[in-house]
Amino acid sequence: QQKVQQSPESLIVPEGAMTSLNCTFSDSASQYFAWYRQHSGKAPKALMSIFSNGEKEEGRFTIHLNKASLHFSLHIRDSQPSDSALYLCAVRSGSFNKLTFGAGTRLAVCP
Amino acid sequence: NSKVIQTPRYLVKGQGQKAKMRCIPEKGHPVVFWYQQNKNNEFKFLINFQNQEVLQQIDMTEKRFSAECPSNSPCSLEIQSSEAGDSALYLCASSPRRNQDTQYFGPGTRLLVL
Repeated sequence: QQKVQQSPESLIVPEGAMTSLNCTFSDSASQYFAWYRQHSGKAPKALMSIFSNGEKEEGRFTIHLNKASLHFSLHIRDSQPSDSALYLCAVRSGSFNKLTFGAGTRLAVCP
Repeated sequence: NSKVIQTPRYLVKGQGQKAKMRCIPEKGHPVVFWYQQNKNNEFKFLINFQNQEVLQQIDMTEKRFSAECPSNSPCSLEIQSSEAGDSALYLCASSPRRNQDTQYFGPGTRLLVL
């Protein structure tokens, strides 16, 4: 059964800093890797996703995947207070699109 | 903003009572998922549908939980006999295609079982 773990559990960074969030997974046959963001009391919202090894950049956000290491990460450049939220990584393996989520990293960006 | 509608936003039940929550997926999204998010933010997949057909569900769902997505009506998740451990945020998500990975979540129904 797929296990997805995130680190760190929580993180406080100053405004303008680079933030790095990590996710490891256990099933080497996993096919889809994503980051979701959940502001307090709000719906989780997909931020970025990747299917194959490498990097993908969208604005201030970069996702990096290394399947051999069973690891992917999210990097936030120039972190803003509005980035403060719970960040969830999600992995799909097998059919039917069921996602397995990590327990989240709670990020606080201080002005 | 999310276009998945979940009602009610909050639900308080006593142990042994039924708890029912509803989800209207985003328009044009035939694939619907239910997840349970506990107080430690851990997600547990419960069940998913394509139109009215169940695609996959976990054992827990088969016992006290029931769910359906009838044609032209909201999807629903019902707990037949609520237990304290069922207290959680129940999230509904929808997707436009079965092989579309991005899921669009509603704000959830927060269930408290006293």
